[in-house]
Amino acid sequence: DQQVKQNSPSLSVQEGRISILNCDYTNSMFDYFLWYKKYPAEGPTFLISISSIKDKNEDGRFTVFLNKSAKHLSLHIVPSQPGDSAVYFCAAPSNAGGTSYGKLTFGQGTILTVHP
Amino acid sequence: EAGVAQSPRYKIIEKRQSVAFWCNPISGHATLYWYQQILGQGPKLLIQFQNNGVVDDSQLPKDRFSAERLKGVDSTLKIQPAKLEDSAVYLCASSLDRSQFFGPGTRLTVL
Repeated sequence: DQQVKQNSPSLSVQEGRISILNCDYTNSMFDYFLWYKKYPAEGPTFLISISSIKDKNEDGRFTVFLNKSAKHLSLHIVPSQPGDSAVYFCAAPSNAGGTSYGKLTFGQGTILTVHP
Repeated sequence: EAGVAQSPRYKIIEKRQSVAFWCNPISGHATLYWYQQILGQGPKLLIQFQNNGVVDDSQLPKDRFSAERLKGVDSTLKIQPAKLEDSAVYLCASSLDRSQFFGPGTRLTVL
């Protein structure tokens, strides 16, 4: 049961253009979402997050949009830079064992390549 | 602030052998996670600790995998015996809140 899905395995964009990475989820209990970036031979690095009470969160070149009715979120990178080339994962935490911070359920990831 | 440390970074073993991974979380982080990431997939939780207690180990193959977190700080993950399908990157993460910080991972190859 894939509760978080990234249906595009890869995306290629030109430097300076916009990159849009998409993510869909099925579990309506998710109330917080995160995007992670992963370079080869490194662990995922937290990029940006959004709470379900918002529909947009912006941090520099990165903006995440949330459409709760469609159970869809997207990450926009403007302008894209070659250093943004990496694997991007969307993820959602679930509560567990009485703690507020449970496991992250990840999508499959999207490989972003930004060409100079 | 030092990040999450993991060792070894790479390990190659033959099937049916045993292997152990070590993780040192960010100082003060009470919650520690072990994830398994198979090539082409997102990380999948194996086990979650809160201090030295297990919160969630529902996805841990307990017939061959074990984990402990002594004194609520460092943690070890063990596989015994290993199978070919255990080839993956094993990621350790720690958190204070909803944002989890990951170590570099251990890439395990089982031949």
